[in-house]
Amino acid sequence: GNSVTQMEGPVTLSEEAFLTINCTYTATGYPSLFWYVQYPGEGLQLLLKATKADDKGSNKGFEATYRKETTSFHLEKGSVQVSDSAVYFCALSARGNQGGKLIFGQGTELSVKP
Amino acid sequence: EPEVTQTPSHQVTQMGQEVILRCVPISNHLYFYWYRQILGQKVEFLVSFYNNEISEKSEIFDDQFSVERPDGSNFTLKIRSTKLEDSAMYFCASSEGSQGGVRPQHFGDGTRLSIL
Repeated sequence: GNSVTQMEGPVTLSEEAFLTINCTYTATGYPSLFWYVQYPGEGLQLLLKATKADDKGSNKGFEATYRKETTSFHLEKGSVQVSDSAVYFCALSARGNQGGKLIFGQGTELSVKP
Repeated sequence: EPEVTQTPSHQVTQMGQEVILRCVPISNHLYFYWYRQILGQKVEFLVSFYNNEISEKSEIFDDQFSVERPDGSNFTLKIRSTKLEDSAMYFCASSEGSQGGVRPQHFGDGTRLSIL
């Protein structure tokens, strides 16, 4: 079946450090891929998405590239801020989100220290 | 920006009691979803709903669960006889859903359900 695997957390970085959170997936066909972020006490917010191979999603300085050959969608940011502290979820939708459910990874907690 | 709203933010219920979690999706959205997250675990899909019927459900969504869109704005999740293991954060989501393109799901802030 379809699944998403993320790197274990928590990840602790100093402000302005480079961030990578690894995400790999297993899916039949060509899923759409997403990163969601959950700030403390809040719901899940869409951070970025990619719908086909080699697409790069980007938002708020975060980027992720849909790599079909390695079935990966790693999240990166060149210089993190304290305000980026949150839990990050990688997810896929097998039907391009035409009513299709999201399958989530386990989430990776990021803590950024000043 | 329009948002999905969920009420209550926290619900405490005795085991065996019925509970109804409420959601108001974004008004022009067509697809509605419920997910749950047990503390320390993944966010898990429960059910999707389109055109006034369930379009997909997971094995978690057994006969104890039901969903309803009683009017043009609310979308509810009912658990008939709650169990301790139903304690979790429940998220409602909605999406536009149209032919072509990707319409991401927008999530509410969740209802924390505590079963005693």
